[in-house]
Amino acid sequence: SQTIHQWPATLVQPVGSPLSLECTVEGTSNPNLYWYRQAAGRGLQLLFYSVGIGQISSEVPQNLSASRPQDRQFILSSKKLLLSDSGFYLCAWGRQGAFFGQGTRLTVV
Amino acid sequence: GESVGLHLPTLSVQEGDNSIINCAYSNSASDYFIWYKQESGKGPQFIIDIRSNMDKRQGQRVTVLLNKTVKHLSLQIAATQPGDSAVYFCAGAYSGGGADGLTFGKGTHLIIQP
Repeated sequence: SQTIHQWPATLVQPVGSPLSLECTVEGTSNPNLYWYRQAAGRGLQLLFYSVGIGQISSEVPQNLSASRPQDRQFILSSKKLLLSDSGFYLCAWGRQGAFFGQGTRLTVV
Repeated sequence: GESVGLHLPTLSVQEGDNSIINCAYSNSASDYFIWYKQESGKGPQFIIDIRSNMDKRQGQRVTVLLNKTVKHLSLQIAATQPGDSAVYFCAGAYSGGGADGLTFGKGTHLIIQP
């Protein structure tokens, strides 16, 4: 069966520091991969998605970037975090990103 | 684009009663819908899905109803238990579209009263 791993679960970072969140999927090949952000009391916002290695589509211009160095690995990055980057980040896989990881709670201080 | 939203932000029910959570969508081209359960601090959990060629689908203690005429779907939870307390939200997509993901509602917080 397919499983998705996302880490770390929680992260506290100072403003201006870099960010790297990693997501990997097991049990499937060439999955569509997604990064979402969920702000408190709000719906899920699609940030990036990828249909294959090295292919990244950005939905929202922002301080973040994504990369897909391997078939089942999706990384969310930032060179310099802003306070507004705080939130709950979710990785998902599937034809339209239907299956989610457990999320990373990022607090920028 | 599509918008998917929920009618009520909070729903309080007695333990053992049935719960009904509603969702409306705007894009008549949407043909695939999912209900999620999200507990505090965790990722959304896929509960049940339905395609537009169906108007009802049942799972374990859950039933999803789809009314394409009024663009409305609902999630029914039978014999609600304390473990059902969570935020529930719907999502929709057009399966013939691209890979740009689902459109999500904000969620309804289901509270179980003892």
